[in-house]
Amino acid sequence: AQSVTQPDIHITVSEGASLELRCNYSYGATPYLFWYVQSPGQGLQLLLKYFSGDTLVQGIKGFEAEFKRSQSSFNLRKPSVHWSDAAEYFCAVTGINNAGNMLTFGGGTRLMVKP
Amino acid sequence: DGGITQSPKYLFRKEGQNVTLSCEQNLNHDAMYWYRQDPGQGLRLIYYSQIVNDFQKGDIAEGYSVSREKKESFPLTVTSAQKNPTAFYLCASGFPGTAGYTFGSGTRLTVV
Repeated sequence: AQSVTQPDIHITVSEGASLELRCNYSYGATPYLFWYVQSPGQGLQLLLKYFSGDTLVQGIKGFEAEFKRSQSSFNLRKPSVHWSDAAEYFCAVTGINNAGNMLTFGGGTRLMVKP
Repeated sequence: DGGITQSPKYLFRKEGQNVTLSCEQNLNHDAMYWYRQDPGQGLRLIYYSQIVNDFQKGDIAEGYSVSREKKESFPLTVTSAQKNPTAFYLCASGFPGTAGYTFGSGTRLTVV
């Protein structure tokens, strides 16, 4: 069975500081990995996705993520956080062996940004 | 513009009443999904449908029902059998494959 773990429920960073949100997955074949962001009271917006190729993927809003197969990780990073980045972030996994493209989501990490 | 629309944004229901949440997409996606979101619990899958006239139960289907009569529409009915229906409900759509999901903006249901 596939699963996603986001070890940090809450993270607080200062504006301008760097950010790394952790994501560990379990999947029996080649995974497809996603990061979504959710502002309060809103739906989820896709930040970036990894299917194959370059293990460092660039997304919207200045985010990037690195796929590390050996560590079963797909951590999200941003060099300099802005106050508008305060939101909840979800990592998700599916894969080529998963009929129907069923995404499995992690529990989310809530990011707070200090001025 | 293509997208996925959920309505209404806020919904209030009296105990014992059924209520239907709307989800419409014009992305030509085959698959549609309903999730429930409670504080601190992430997203839990209620129902999903991969083709018209077919749908499957997710992890927490009890007290909910759905239909998929058209490709564009996947309404969710919260029945009186759902004991704790107050939550934020998210609809999503996608192609079976690699593209991920597109989400609607959600409906917040409150039982009064």
